[in-house]
Amino acid sequence: DVVMTQTPVSLPVSLGGQASISCRSSQSLVHSNGNTYLHWYLQKPGQSPQLLIYRVSNRFSGVPDRFSGSGSGTDFTLKISRVEPEDLGDYYCLQSTHFPWTFGGGTKLELK
Amino acid sequence: QVQLKESGPGLVQPSQTLSLTCTVSGLSLTSNSVSWIRQPPGKGLEWMGVIWSNGGTDYNSAIKSRLSISRDTSKSQVFLKMNSLQTEDTAMYFCARFRSSGFDYWGQGVMVTVSS
Repeated sequence: DVVMTQTPVSLPVSLGGQASISCRSSQSLVHSNGNTYLHWYLQKPGQSPQLLIYRVSNRFSGVPDRFSGSGSGTDFTLKISRVEPEDLGDYYCLQSTHFPWTFGGGTKLELK
Repeated sequence: QVQLKESGPGLVQPSQTLSLTCTVSGLSLTSNSVSWIRQPPGKGLEWMGVIWSNGGTDYNSAIKSRLSISRDTSKSQVFLKMNSLQTEDTAMYFCARFRSSGFDYWGQGVMVTVSS
């Protein structure tokens, strides 16, 4: 199985500040069709996860441009600029290139 | 708009079978794929399996021997059945639509506790 390693586990931030979350995979996430199926989710307390970024760098409908994704191969990053209170919660990366699809362990974004 | 809603028993006894239903609206199961994902209390997310728009299925190898996903397209429902439940299967169970953009719409989840 592809192991997805997220760091840090906990990320204290100040409102208005910037946050960066890393997600590394144990093997390349480039599919044989050339696409890279790495996605990012935010799960707010008591809610279902919500899609933020799909296929590395594409913002899902309604997601503010404060969220950006980058990376390639095995190394990916989610950046949040100008952190707002509604951005706090648990962030997960997901790979859907290889079966079984696997999630990272999560990063808790919390107030400093 | 696209909506998914899980339903099922909140409590299951050890060694018994779990049966959950995901009822969808705003989409057709013959042109959309639906997955089940679970999350133990205070822990991360685990993908369980997917039923494709053509009715085919793929499962997480870790639980494949215990899991079955099926559907009734006329009722817009997707079903999960998992047998031989143990306490470690206690979790919130979610269904979500799957596309090449990942899981883009999720249900609210249903909490299942395995206990005697």
